[in-house]
Amino acid sequence: QSALTQPPSASGSPGQSVTISCTGTSSDVGGYNYVSWYQQHPGKAPKLMIYEVSKRPSGVPDRFSGSKSGNTASLTVSGLQAEDEADYYCSSYAGSNRHVVFGGGTKLTVL
Amino acid sequence: QVTLRESGPALVKPTQTLTLTCTFSGFSLSTSGMCVSWIRQPPGKALEWLALIDWDDDKYYSTSLKTRLTISKDTSKNQVVLTMTNMDPVDTATYYCALYSSGWSTFDYWGQGTLVTVSS
Repeated sequence: QSALTQPPSASGSPGQSVTISCTGTSSDVGGYNYVSWYQQHPGKAPKLMIYEVSKRPSGVPDRFSGSKSGNTASLTVSGLQAEDEADYYCSSYAGSNRHVVFGGGTKLTVL
Repeated sequence: QVTLRESGPALVKPTQTLTLTCTFSGFSLSTSGMCVSWIRQPPGKALEWLALIDWDDDKYYSTSLKTRLTISKDTSKNQVVLTMTNMDPVDTATYYCALYSSGWSTFDYWGQGTLVTVSS
């Protein structure tokens, strides 16, 4: 069982927006602004999409955005495209003891 | 250009010790803020963080697996080694190494992963 809770699935039609949530506690998501989001296509390694809650690495489309409220972080994908269909994982810094925790992943389907 | 590559056995027997090596380029593990971490993913399941070693040779382990894990680095060879003792079939997974930047607590770059199957 993963430390962070994500919905197992999400879906949207091309051009629509979809938001994926990631719920933790005050000891991880709520306690630090160090939430990251990763995209993973089948058979591939994860790819960093968002870090520090809302920052995008170079090369990641601005259709991807992140936010956080309390113990829940969110990833929003706007203007859905077929290539956005993938699994998405959140992670959070969790202090010097647990260090890093992941969510259980969300499978995003583009209808 | 940052690259990481995992290497190790594809098959190990139950109770054996697994040794995985991460060979990297494009950064130095002596640079402040740089860390290398191991993460695994059982088939069809979620990512699980295992261990991390930083530029100062500080080591951090998953609470649930810390008694079985050892992480070490050879800065001159640009390698990080993970050992996991007493392997069990539930440890069957793809094992990834990744560059972790402590400044913003994120896995910036990942290796392609190596599938390890535990079976007699």
